[in-house]
Amino acid sequence: KQEVTQIPAALSVPEGENLVLNCSFTDSAIYNLQWFRQDPGKGLTSLLLIQSSQREQTSGRLNASLDKSSGRSTLYIAASQPGDSATYLCAVRGSGGYQKVTFGTGTKLQVIP
Amino acid sequence: DGGITQSPKYLFRKEGQNVTLSCEQNLNHDAMYWYRQDPGQGLRLIYYSQIVNDFQKGDIAEGYSVSREKKESFPLTVTSAQKNPTAFYLCASSINDRGWRGNPFAGELFFGEGSRLTVL
Repeated sequence: KQEVTQIPAALSVPEGENLVLNCSFTDSAIYNLQWFRQDPGKGLTSLLLIQSSQREQTSGRLNASLDKSSGRSTLYIAASQPGDSATYLCAVRGSGGYQKVTFGTGTKLQVIP
Repeated sequence: DGGITQSPKYLFRKEGQNVTLSCEQNLNHDAMYWYRQDPGQGLRLIYYSQIVNDFQKGDIAEGYSVSREKKESFPLTVTSAQKNPTAFYLCASSINDRGWRGNPFAGELFFGEGSRLTVL
C-alpha cells in the first residue's frame, strides 16, 4: 500500500527566502507525481506534474524534482512571497492496474512579509 | 474558460436527508473522481468513473452514490447511510488512461473549487 508523507506539516519563512518542501513515498512503482497548492476553503490547483520517466519540472519560481529510487520528491520555491502562503500537497499515481492516486497530508506554508 | 464547476459551495443537511453535490466539467475529460477531505487527513477517494455509464467504488464509498449519464457531469449523492458526512468534497477530472501513451499530461488531475457539507 502506497503511503505518502510530507514533512514538515507547517513551515514559516520570511519573505524572499528560498525554500524546499519534501514529499516521500513508500512504493517506487509510480506513474507520476503531482504537486498542488490549496488555499483555505478552496480546491486544489495543479502546480507541477512529473512523469515517472522525468527527473524534474520547472514553472516560474517553482522547481520539482523526482527520485523514484529513494522515494522522494522536492518542491523548490525561489524568492518566496506572501502570496505563496498556502498548503502544498503532493500526490502519487501508482502504475499498476487502476492507477490509484495517493495524497500526502500537505505542508502549510506561511511567508511572512 | 475550461474547468470544473462544483455546486453548491456550501450545503447543510439534516439528519436522515439525502443531498446531491453537482460536478460539471468542460475539459472534455473522460475520467472523473470524487474525493473527501477532512482536517489532518489526505484526500480519500469516494468514487471514480473512467467513461460514461461506468463507475467504480473508491476507498470510502459506503453511504455515497454516483451516476455518470453524461461525459460532462458526475453528481455525488450523500445518503442518510453516511454516518459522518460533514466534510469538504472535491471533484476532479483527468484524461482517460487510454489516452495516456506519449501524452506528457497523462494522469494530470484537475480539481473543482469544492463543496462544504455540514450536518445540522
